[in-house]
Amino acid sequence: DSGVTQTPKHLITATGQRVTLRCSPRSGDLSVYWYQQSLDQGLQFLIHYYNGEERAKGNILERFSAQQFPDLHSELNLSSLELGDSALYFCASSDDRGDTQYFGPGTRLTVL
Amino acid sequence: GESVGLHLPTLSVQEGDNSIINCAYSNSASDYFIWYKQESGKGPQFIIDIRSNMDKRQGQRVTVLLNKTVKHLSLQIAATQPGDSAVYFCAFTSGTYKYIFGTGTRLKVLA
Repeated sequence: DSGVTQTPKHLITATGQRVTLRCSPRSGDLSVYWYQQSLDQGLQFLIHYYNGEERAKGNILERFSAQQFPDLHSELNLSSLELGDSALYFCASSDDRGDTQYFGPGTRLTVL
Repeated sequence: GESVGLHLPTLSVQEGDNSIINCAYSNSASDYFIWYKQESGKGPQFIIDIRSNMDKRQGQRVTVLLNKTVKHLSLQIAATQPGDSAVYFCAFTSGTYKYIFGTGTRLKVLA
């Protein structure tokens, strides 16, 4: 168990809908990262938050947004969902050094 | 742009043999490298890391080798066990809090 939690574990929705994925980092970690992993694909970095502020952006679509709250949990919002958004979404956290990232169990999103 | 590649998408080894998984990276400024293991249905799990000021680091049954000259990273697993079957990702950061991950190598351990 990495100490990073993600909810929900599974999510099934329809095209055009909006969903929110939630992540709680390890105790004491200020950094939260979001990744997308499509079938048989590597991890694509989406966005990084540090102590409530956006630190870096990767290949994140404009339909996607994220935020990190004062209690350090983070939410990833996916809107106007398309079939191609079906994937595993992982959250990871790291400490101040920002080296090793510890991953949560992921949320599997299925868009029908 | 930055990229990380893997030479072998699938590696099959006999139980008890040693496994070597390779990774090439393109950013010569990278200073930190990590290997992750991902089992089916789970999130990536940290295995071992190495900084650019080292060329070898050993853990329990695993060794990471870094060759900065040719920008090559490898993961060696000694006495491979069935529980080692998984997808292995290499990743690097260049100090920008941004990680680049390879597409992964699937390791299959044959009984």
